[in-house]
Amino acid sequence: GDSVTQMEGPVTLSEEAFLTINCTYTATGYPSLFWYVQYPGEGLQLLLKATKADDKGSNKGFEATYRKETTSFHLEKGSVQVSDSAVYFCALQPQGGSEKLVFGKGTKLTVNP
Amino acid sequence: GAVVSQHPSWVICKSGTSVKIECRSLDFQATTMFWYRQFPKQSLMLMATSNEGSKATYEQGVEKDKFLINHASLTLSTLTVTSAHPEDSSFYICSATSDKKNSPLHFGNGTRLTVT
Repeated sequence: GDSVTQMEGPVTLSEEAFLTINCTYTATGYPSLFWYVQYPGEGLQLLLKATKADDKGSNKGFEATYRKETTSFHLEKGSVQVSDSAVYFCALQPQGGSEKLVFGKGTKLTVNP
Repeated sequence: GAVVSQHPSWVICKSGTSVKIECRSLDFQATTMFWYRQFPKQSLMLMATSNEGSKATYEQGVEKDKFLINHASLTLSTLTVTSAHPEDSSFYICSATSDKKNSPLHFGNGTRLTVT
């Protein structure tokens, strides 16, 4: 079945450091790919998405590129801030229009001043 | 703006009692709502999918008599945890979408349930 594997945390960085959170997926065809962010005590917020191969999603300085050849959607940010501290979830939506999302286990990021 | 309101944000109940969690779409018609359960340090596990006016579709391993889902209107779905036990303690999150093409999925802020 469809699955998402993302790098296990927790990840701790200093402010202004470079961030990469790896995400790979297993799915048939061309799923849509997402990154969600969950701040403490809150629900999930969509951070960015990509719906086809080679698409790059970007938002708030975060970027991820849909790589079909490596089945990956790694999240990157050039300079993290303390306010980026949260749990990040990679997710896929199977090709075909089902709204069901398959989530990775989440990666907790802590950014220290 | 936000768009899905989930209530309560946290609840503590005694073992054996039932708890109802509400999920409301504030400015769109939510034809489909999803209920997730999130265990500590783990991902969100889809429990069930509900379409307005229909019975919910439960994922494998989820007890439908234990987790009652009602989606009686286009703006409200409820999850009732019946005869709660400590192992039901978890973070429950709803999400909702409309039937318009490319409609985004909006998440509620979640409900922290603690069963004592």
